[in-house]
Amino acid sequence: SQQGEEDPQALSIQEGENATMNCSYKTSINNLQWYRQNSGRGLVHLILIRSNEREKHSGRLRVTLDTSKKSSSLLITASRAADTASYFCATDGRFQGAQKLVFGQGTRLTINP
Amino acid sequence: EAGVTQFPSHSVIEKGQTVTLRCDPISGHDNLYWYRRVMGKEIKFLLHFVKESKQDESGMPNNRFLAERTGGTYSTLKVQPAELEDSGVYFCASSPDGWYNTGELFFGEGSRLTVL
Repeated sequence: SQQGEEDPQALSIQEGENATMNCSYKTSINNLQWYRQNSGRGLVHLILIRSNEREKHSGRLRVTLDTSKKSSSLLITASRAADTASYFCATDGRFQGAQKLVFGQGTRLTINP
Repeated sequence: EAGVTQFPSHSVIEKGQTVTLRCDPISGHDNLYWYRRVMGKEIKFLLHFVKESKQDESGMPNNRFLAERTGGTYSTLKVQPAELEDSGVYFCASSPDGWYNTGELFFGEGSRLTVL
């Protein structure tokens, strides 16, 4: 069954605005990661949050994790045109083994100049 | 330092033919993974090598797929015979020993496979 599900599937905002993407998952996890994929390129790791953490920051990125709701959010502040990409959450399931990530279908983010 | 490289970037073949995808991980990374994204669906795990050994191949869809990592360096993923539903983007990723502490997988840019 699908583990991570991103919401919304597509998001279009103006440059300078904040973008929020959500991810829900079904089973217990060790950690949750967010990756970015620019069109036609590979996946780039953005940030990892462990199951015992609630919030993490990295530059303009802010990730939250609510294990009681099995959900996470990725906030990109002061968006830029270069942030246009697809964003994926990936979970490292406690019972799936530490080496197997389960990805959601992604959120396609478009930043309009 | 070179990243994860994959070849070819795009392959178009006919149903029933064979295709071999290659992945060169980051030098020194013992862990190598294959994932794929079939059109419109999520990215799915295929298998995981630790050096030359298959640690987990639970995601391999069927016996038409064969992955190897001879010598624990580069890896190949062969699809034989290819079917229409095999079309998608095949990603390779690598990570060093003790990756769990960093959590980061380093992905290649993918090999797009189109089966006609």
